[in-house]
Amino acid sequence: ILNVEQSPQSLHVQEGDSTNFTCSFPSSNFYALHWYRWETAKSPEALFVMTLNGDEKKKGRISATLNTKEGYSYLYIKGSQPEDSATYLCAFNYATNAGKSTFGDGTTLTVKP
Amino acid sequence: KAGVTQTPRYLIKTRGQQVTLSCSPISGHRSVSWYQQTPGQGLQFLFEYFSETQRNKGNFPGRFSGRQFSNSRSEMNVSTLELGDSALYLCASSLERESSPLHFGNGTRLTVT
Repeated sequence: ILNVEQSPQSLHVQEGDSTNFTCSFPSSNFYALHWYRWETAKSPEALFVMTLNGDEKKKGRISATLNTKEGYSYLYIKGSQPEDSATYLCAFNYATNAGKSTFGDGTTLTVKP
Repeated sequence: KAGVTQTPRYLIKTRGQQVTLSCSPISGHRSVSWYQQTPGQGLQFLFEYFSETQRNKGNFPGRFSGRQFSNSRSEMNVSTLELGDSALYLCASSLERESSPLHFGNGTRLTVT
């Protein structure tokens, strides 16, 4: 993988469902992986930054894991709520160019009440 | 603490004109990055400035330029505007460490007619 890829592109779930999506990135030259949430009419907001293989981060009902050896990160949302509806972006930083974040196209989550 | 401020919020320009966008980072943040988002596209990296120096540059033509002032405020300039430059331009600031998350402004919506 040369770029950052996110799947699925969009997801529709019912309130209360748990869900997860994937961010794939180059497994070599890793520096950091970020997750952001972008709600409509707002600016992207940082959720997590992960730098070590095996990192797990949690914020309320949202958690993320990181596997740098195989080049993927999962974002999990437990018991989705309508206010979780947003586009979730991941961003990758290369070790040789750590000041530049390369973003995936995002996963748009819609939670129906 | 005040967030990242971008001005103006909306801008309408004609093909061939030039435009300057402004970004004031969070106090204490010395890194400022610029991103472009067009319909159907993810966030495309334009450039990153740190301590008045361009540290990283994306794959955009030379019509796109920027600068950073001693107070960390940044400006982005686009000359000879084309219809395809119509986009949301986001500025983000971060602390000195490369793994620090980005803090985004609300963006400038540029429309080129």
